[in-house]
Amino acid sequence: ETGVTQSPTHLIKTRGQQVTLRCSSQSGHNTVSWYQQALGQGPQFIFQYYREEENGRGNFPPRFSGLQFPNYSSELNVNALELDDSALYLCASSSGTMAMSSGNTIYFGEGSWLTVV
Amino acid sequence: GNSVTQMEGPVTLSEEAFLTINCTYTATGYPSLFWYVQYPGEGLQLLLKATKADDKGSNKGFEATYRKETTSFHLEKGSVQVSDSAVYFCALSDRGDSSYKLIFGSGTRLLVRP
Repeated sequence: ETGVTQSPTHLIKTRGQQVTLRCSSQSGHNTVSWYQQALGQGPQFIFQYYREEENGRGNFPPRFSGLQFPNYSSELNVNALELDDSALYLCASSSGTMAMSSGNTIYFGEGSWLTVV
Repeated sequence: GNSVTQMEGPVTLSEEAFLTINCTYTATGYPSLFWYVQYPGEGLQLLLKATKADDKGSNKGFEATYRKETTSFHLEKGSVQVSDSAVYFCALSDRGDSSYKLIFGSGTRLLVRP
């Protein structure tokens, strides 16, 4: 139990639709990151939010966007869904953006499985 | 850019066998190194970590040593159990302008037979 909760756990969408995934971070964690894990691959960094602002982004197009709220919970939005967007989307929370460099742990949720048909 | 390379799986072992999963990395600077485990249908759990050269991370009988000279962080366990069957990911921390992210390898599936 990491204290990071994600919803929904599974969902199916049609190509071209939009989806919103939600994440509640561990208590006291002000940084949240999102990762995409395609089947059989390692997770890939989408972006990171710190104190409600995006402060880092991976190689994903603008149709992937996010929000972080004052309570540090977060949303991942994906517009104009494509078949290749089918994946497990993981949320990770930590205390501060420097968590990894200082050796502090980041915690992952169990993910949201998105299938695009 | 920074990257992580893991041995391809699946790795199939009998219970109580010795496990090694190789991991090498390419990075500028001095990243922290991690092993994560993913059980079927679940998210990622941190297994162990090392934050500087020669550090040894350990947890639940698993160990890995941060080897800067060989840019490696191999995962080992002396005696595996059926319950260790999972996918194991090696990762490093990568610094951006104002953020840190994890760069993962492609994962190695371990299957332990009774």
